[in-house]
Amino acid sequence: DAGVIQSPRHEVTEMGQEVTLRCKPISGHNSLFWYRQTMMRGLELLIYFNNNVPIDDSGMPEDRFSAKMPNASFSTLKIQPSEPRDSAVYFCASSPGLNGGNTIYFGEGSWLTVV
Amino acid sequence: DQQVKQNSPSLSVQEGRISILNCDYTNSMFDYFLWYKKYPAEGPTFLISISSIKDKNEDGRFTVFLNKSAKHLSLHIVPSQPGDSAVYFCGRGNTPLVFGKGTRLSVIA
Repeated sequence: DAGVIQSPRHEVTEMGQEVTLRCKPISGHNSLFWYRQTMMRGLELLIYFNNNVPIDDSGMPEDRFSAKMPNASFSTLKIQPSEPRDSAVYFCASSPGLNGGNTIYFGEGSWLTVV
Repeated sequence: DQQVKQNSPSLSVQEGRISILNCDYTNSMFDYFLWYKKYPAEGPTFLISISSIKDKNEDGRFTVFLNKSAKHLSLHIVPSQPGDSAVYFCGRGNTPLVFGKGTRLSVIA
């Protein structure tokens, strides 16, 4: 199995530009999660979906952030406009479902630098 | 509202000795806890878990202990190896998975 696939792996962009991060979950997984890792906050949950429906977006830091899951095999996280404080590693993860015993599987992350 | 807390940002241990990573939680309703391990430039990977009905779970060199009265769990690595050097995140397993800030373990040869 290919695992969770994220793109781009690295992105450097100028402040004010739009950034779109992409994720392909593991086939057959019904739940998808977006996390952000920073030194200050560690690994924080931004939003998660179940069966393509957003369940909780309370972790999204600002209205500049939005996420979509148009189908079971694709999700995007968009930042518009981007700011230097958005610089972080963004991880997508998926799991078979929302059962608490399910392990979640992470992608390798998208390293975002906003200058 | 930090539901799981890792108060030690870093830990250095000599190779062959025991590494103990700690985590505290706030909600007694959590019924599942997990530890994830993260190497640089990689995504976190599942390491070990424990159900709240247990107080210990062991997998090779890794053992997780759960103290429900103290709302505390710990990960023991014995013996520690240089390849264990990574960031370790504890998390509460009730969906969605919420993590602490992580502890960077350095195992010195």
